[in-house]
Formats: sequence, structure tokens, C-alpha cells
Amino acid sequence: SQQGEEDPQALSIQEGENATMNCSYKTSINNLQWYRQNSGRGLVHLILIRSNEREKHSGRLRVTLDTSKKSSSLLITASRAADTASYFCATASANQAGTALIFGKGTTLSVSS
Amino acid sequence: DTAVSQTPKYLVTQMGNDKSIKCEQNLGHDTMYWYKQDSKKFLKIMFSYNNKELIINETVPNRFSPKSPDKAHLNLHINSLELGDSAVYFCASSRKGYYGYTFGSGTRLTVV
Repeated sequence: SQQGEEDPQALSIQEGENATMNCSYKTSINNLQWYRQNSGRGLVHLILIRSNEREKHSGRLRVTLDTSKKSSSLLITASRAADTASYFCATASANQAGTALIFGKGTTLSVSS
Repeated sequence: DTAVSQTPKYLVTQMGNDKSIKCEQNLGHDTMYWYKQDSKKFLKIMFSYNNKELIINETVPNRFSPKSPDKAHLNLHINSLELGDSAVYFCASSRKGYYGYTFGSGTRLTVV
């Protein structure tokens, strides 16, 4: 069943601006992950945040997790044209060992120079 | 030095044919997966193997059969292809437990 839902579906910004994408999910999770997919390519793992963490940073990426609201956000600061891609959140269930990641529908980010 | 490699990258075939997609990972991961991405970019898990053992078998037509000869390989065989099978199929691998996945570059299957 569908777990993550990203918002917005599409986002267009200028280089140098910040981009924020949100993800909501429905069930208890062990962790939440964000992936990037460039056009015609595979998904690339960006960051993993565990259910007992509230915020995590990696370079220009900042991820927050609010388990009480079952939501997460991905912030990309000082965006570049190379950040143009689709971004997916994915959740790992806390209740079912051995289950696979369930992906949301993704946010398509366009960064123009 | 590709971590997860899939072949072929593109596959165009006629309805009713049987085809296979191969996947290999050189990361030493224990778990491998097949995902299907549709035209709206929605990714859906199809199968998962842990050390050659099938652990996830989602509701997919039994025309789809995965095979894992060893823990570094997970192949996908599709019988009697249908138009609706057209999609991009991704192989992925991970360490056992709660870790990130490494994806292959995908196989774009087009059934005509």
C-alpha cells in the first residue's frame, strides 16, 4: 500500500534559492530515507533519518522528521541547476522485519539558472 | 566498477514474448530487490531476496518469476509479455537490516 506522499508534486526555483519538499506517511517507521532520481537514471540514496532522530544534515541537505505528525521535510539550500531531479521519500516499516522500502510519488524539482 | 548493474538497459519486444532482465551487485550486500516504476514515476516493490531466499513476493502476475543463483545476482524472467508490462524495472541491493539501497540504472521495457 502507498506509504509516503510528497508535497509539492512539482517545484520550480531559481539557482541560489532554497527548495523544501515534504513527505507524509501513514504507519510506524524504523527510518525514513530520501532519494534523488535524475532523468533516465536510477535512484541515488541521499540521507537516512531514524525514527529517534529529529534532524540530520548532509552537505546542503537538511532533513527533519516529526514522528508525531508522521511527516518529514527535505531542504536543499543554495540550489544549483544540477539539483534538477525527482526526489522521493521512502519508509522502512518498524513492524515488519524484512519488508522493503515503500516509496512516495516524488517531487519534481526544476532549478533554472 | 558499477555497484549494481542491470542488463539490458533497453528492451523492446512484442506481446507474448518471454524476456529476462539480469542484475548483479558487487557490494557484498545480502538483500536484493526488484522494483517497477510506471509512467508516473511511482515505484512499487515486486520481489526481495535475502541471501538467495525469497522474502518478499508482492502481488504481481505469476508471469513474473525472479531467480537468484547466488546472493550477488537476482534475475527477473517475464513470460507472455503484455502491453501493461511496459515500465522501467529497477534492481537494488542493501545490507540486511535497515539501511539505504543502491539502485541499478534501470531497464526500460517496452512491449509493442
